[in-house]
Formats: sequence, structure tokens, C-alpha cells
Amino acid sequence: DVKVTQSSRYLVKRTGEKVFLECVQDMDHENMFWYRQDPGLGLRLIYFSYDVKMKEKGDIPEGYSVSREKKERFSLILESASTNQTSMYLCASNSPLGYEQYFGPGTRLTVT
Amino acid sequence: DQQVKQNSPSLSVQEGRISILNCDYTNSMFDYFLWYKKYPAEGPTFLISISSIKDKNEDGRFTVFLNKSAKHLSLHIVPSQPGDSAVYFCAASNTGNQFYFGTGTSLTVIP
Repeated sequence: DVKVTQSSRYLVKRTGEKVFLECVQDMDHENMFWYRQDPGLGLRLIYFSYDVKMKEKGDIPEGYSVSREKKERFSLILESASTNQTSMYLCASNSPLGYEQYFGPGTRLTVT
Repeated sequence: DQQVKQNSPSLSVQEGRISILNCDYTNSMFDYFLWYKKYPAEGPTFLISISSIKDKNEDGRFTVFLNKSAKHLSLHIVPSQPGDSAVYFCAASNTGNQFYFGTGTSLTVIP
């Protein structure tokens, strides 16, 4: 059974804090993605990675960075959290041989 | 600029009837289209997909239709069941590395 796990389901942080969201997949997938989901806006791509230590900006990378030191792990970093980063964050992975993405359960982040 | 659009935020259907969810796209380079289903507090799960070389793909109660000239795809669910109540996202890609999602349609199937 394929699995993408995210380190937290719910997180509350204060403005200005550094926030780490972790994602781990057990499918040996090369590609990993971070999205945020907001009402009326759907899923928007923040960053993706197609290999260890490789990263590409998505549509809304401002205020975020990522790290991929190991194939199975992809971290999203909010350098200085702001209230407009309150959102649902979804991690996904897929193989370059297939289009289907596998998603984690999501992290509901609230920045106060 | 939204490259994939779902213009109906919500849809209500009686149990046993057909649900039709629609999706439009603007980029003619997209060559693969997918539908995902999302329950509250869970991540999206893959439902069905279609390649641009086809115009129809069927999987049980779910059928996806692709009209390339109109840049339009639709998901048909027949018969609809209460367990189908969820948010449905369509997505498109031309590389397999980057995907563009619509804003979602919330389907409610009324028992």
C-alpha cells in the first residue's frame, strides 16, 4: 500500500516563526511536490523536486523554501511565517513514468 | 492565470442519478488529464485519467470524456451514490513533472 506521510495534521504557529513541514514517501518516487489548498483557489503548486537536491519553483514560491536531502523526504520551510500562509498544505509524489500523484493527508497550518 | 477551470463550485444530485462534473483548460500543450476526489481532512486520491490521444476512458461507474477542440473534459458518475459526496478536482499536465489543478467542485449526492 503506497504511502505519503506528513509530519503534522494540525499546526499553530506565531507570525515570524520559522516553520518546517516534513513529507515522507515510501514508493521510491523521484518527483515530490508541495501544494497549498485554499477555498476558491484549488491546489496551487509551491515547489517541486524531481531528484535529490533538485528543486523547481512552482506558481507561488514566495515566502517558502524547500529541502530534499534524501529521495524519500521533501521538506517545506516557511522562513518567517505570516498570517497569509494560513492554509492546508499538501505533499504529493509520483514517478516520472506515470502521471498519477499520491497525496499525503495534509497539514492544516494556522499562523496567528 | 488559471489554466484549468472548474466553473461550478458545487453540484447536488439525487442518489442513483448521473453526476456530471466539468472542467475547461486553456493550454493546448496539456497531454494528460486526471480527476481526483477529496474528502474533508484527507489528501486527494486519484480517481481516473485520460490521455490526449483518447476521447473517453471508463472505470466502473466513472467515465471521463475529453473534447480537445473545445478544451473541455467532463467526469460522469453513474449511478451516483452518497459515498461519492466529496470535492472533485481536475488536473492537467504536459510533462508529468508539473500539474495544474482546477478550483474543485463539491458534489453532494442526496439519498
